[in-house]
Amino acid sequence: AQTVTQSQPEMSVQEAETVTLSCTYDTSESNYYLFWYKQPPSRQMILVIRQEAYKQQNATENRFSVNFQKAAKSFSLKISDSQLGDTAMYFCASATSGAGSYQLTFGKGTKLSVIP
Amino acid sequence: DSGVTQTPKHLITATGQRVTLRCSPRSGDLSVYWYQQSLDQGLQFLIQYYNGEERAKGNILERFSAQQFPDLHSELNLSSLELGDSALYFCASSVAGLNNEQFFGPGTRLTVL
Repeated sequence: AQTVTQSQPEMSVQEAETVTLSCTYDTSESNYYLFWYKQPPSRQMILVIRQEAYKQQNATENRFSVNFQKAAKSFSLKISDSQLGDTAMYFCASATSGAGSYQLTFGKGTKLSVIP
Repeated sequence: DSGVTQTPKHLITATGQRVTLRCSPRSGDLSVYWYQQSLDQGLQFLIQYYNGEERAKGNILERFSAQQFPDLHSELNLSSLELGDSALYFCASSVAGLNNEQFFGPGTRLTVL
């Protein structure tokens, strides 16, 4: 079974500053993916960034980057130059190929507020 | 717009009733996933279909069932509804495989009174 833990229920950051959201996970699988999803007030789930466990290089997508520490089973999200539109719930998730399904296991989420 | 459509957007019903939620995946996607988002349980996986066949089950209640039709659209049936079934129900689709992104629909907000 997989578990994903987000220990920060809420965070805030000043506009243009940098913020890091934490996530730890646990899985017995050797092949897995990790994701960060954003859920703005519209409730739409939007993929922010993903990381394959086999890749050592940390994924980056514009202002978003991750710090993937495989041994520590840690997967944090760094948002640089925070913008008002980054205000949202952020969910960390994992997926493995066990039993031929790739369902996502989500953490409880971190509510991020960007302050003008 | 993810390309995944869900109907209806909102549904209000009473306890004991039965409802059907519908999902149309992105063109070409064979996998459909159903997730439930509630205040108590967070976001959790319910069930997955791949090309018409059930592939995996998560924390889905026996009162809930789903199917995927030959045109690949999927329906989630919820029966004997209880107050605790009030939640946002998401459908997601993907092509196949671990490295393929799941695209989420806008969700159906179910309120059980």
